Amino acid sequence: NAGVMQNPRHLVRRRGQEARLRCSPMKGHSHVYWYRQLPEEGLKFMVYLQKENIIDESGMPKERFSAEFPKEGPSILRIQQVVRGDSAAYFCASSEAAREARSNEQFFGPGTRLTVL
Amino acid sequence: AQSVTQLDSQVPVFEEAPVELRCNYSSSVSVYLFWYVQYPNQGLQLLLKYLSGSTLVKGINGFEAEFNKSQTSFHLRKPSVHISDTAEYFCAVSPLSGGYNKLIFGAGTRLAVHP
Repeated sequence: NAGVMQNPRHLVRRRGQEARLRCSPMKGHSHVYWYRQLPEEGLKFMVYLQKENIIDESGMPKERFSAEFPKEGPSILRIQQVVRGDSAAYFCASSEAAREARSNEQFFGPGTRLTVL
Repeated sequence: AQSVTQLDSQVPVFEEAPVELRCNYSSSVSVYLFWYVQYPNQGLQLLLKYLSGSTLVKGINGFEAEFNKSQTSFHLRKPSVHISDTAEYFCAVSPLSGGYNKLIFGAGTRLAVHP
């Protein structure tokens, strides 16, 4: 059973370009979380999605950032007009659709390391 | 709101010595508690979690943690470390309410095990 997959693993963009990060959850998982890890810091929650729905985007910057999790295909985190401050590691995690929070262990992908030149 | 403080950014230790990584949290509601490990250029792996019940929790790779409600702490311990334990360790909390775990992480502790 493959784990959470993220691609690309490394992404280099120039200021003003767009970055698209992909996350394929574990088989059978319908919940996806995105976290951002700035250098020398812990992970910060960005957004929580279920299939075709954004449930909690309280950690997402209001401008330039968007996320989706379509019915078919991976979850996408999109950053428009990137700036140097967007350079970070972006991690995706997935979990099962369980009613009790205690059942919803999150499994993390290897991350995408975004560098903005 | 919740916050997590990991008191040591780096912990050097010799192989086979015991280690304790400290974690304190602040929350106005009850929380679940977690410890994750991150090896270089990899994602996070769950070491152990406290949901309820016994305050001493045992995890993978010989790690354990003790939940202390009065001190709002969840320190991670291992009686004898190996070189392979060298990694970054993150403490995290998640509010009990809601149907999902919104993890709030500490800044991490870098454990360096020396021969």
